[in-house]
Amino acid sequence: SAVISQKPSRDICQRGTSLTIQCQVDSQVTMMFWYRQQPGQSLTLIATANQGSEATYESGFVIDKFPISRPNLTFSTLTVSNMSPEDSSIYLCSILLANTGELFFGEGSRLTVL
Amino acid sequence: ELKVEQNPLFLSMQEGKNYTIYCNYSTTSDRLYWYRQDPGKSLESLFVLLSNGAVKQEGRLMASLDTKARLSTLHITAAVHDLSATYFCAVDRQGAQKLVFGQGTRLTINP
Repeated sequence: SAVISQKPSRDICQRGTSLTIQCQVDSQVTMMFWYRQQPGQSLTLIATANQGSEATYESGFVIDKFPISRPNLTFSTLTVSNMSPEDSSIYLCSILLANTGELFFGEGSRLTVL
Repeated sequence: ELKVEQNPLFLSMQEGKNYTIYCNYSTTSDRLYWYRQDPGKSLESLFVLLSNGAVKQEGRLMASLDTKARLSTLHITAAVHDLSATYFCAVDRQGAQKLVFGQGTRLTINP
């Protein structure tokens, strides 16, 4: 498996502010993914973060709202911009282990927007 | 558009009983994942099924995949309280490691 660390684990934010979530992996991975889990809901893919290129966003998610960085093969950030209460969710990063085909998730960052 | 549906969404069962959670998906895929999520926690990987007919077992849980029927099952044998959690299936969209998740099945096992 892999160790995936996210920061912060939780935060309470004010409407209109932005917050950056960090995801650190203990090994080099080609593809990293960011998911959102709204309260009581399932998970939805936000974007794929590849090192050396711009992130690829899924339908309904845009770069201005969720800018992503991927400066190297072990690290990525997701920023939630100009937050509103509807952004209150758990945000999770995920990686693919190519040798097993498994996708592992970080511990998640639980954001509450007031 | 790939849709993934789980059945049932809520399941309350007695310890010692057997039960099955079903995961249907709408378009062709040959990679399916099962995850467990405890309240307030992240997702724990249970199984990845990579081919038609794949069957994997871990303890009291067994997962199978029928790609022709677009169906996966997660079978629980002789349930114990510790298995209480929400279980998600997820299907790899277009082989791109982009997962589409089912709604989740909230499983409660009563003593």
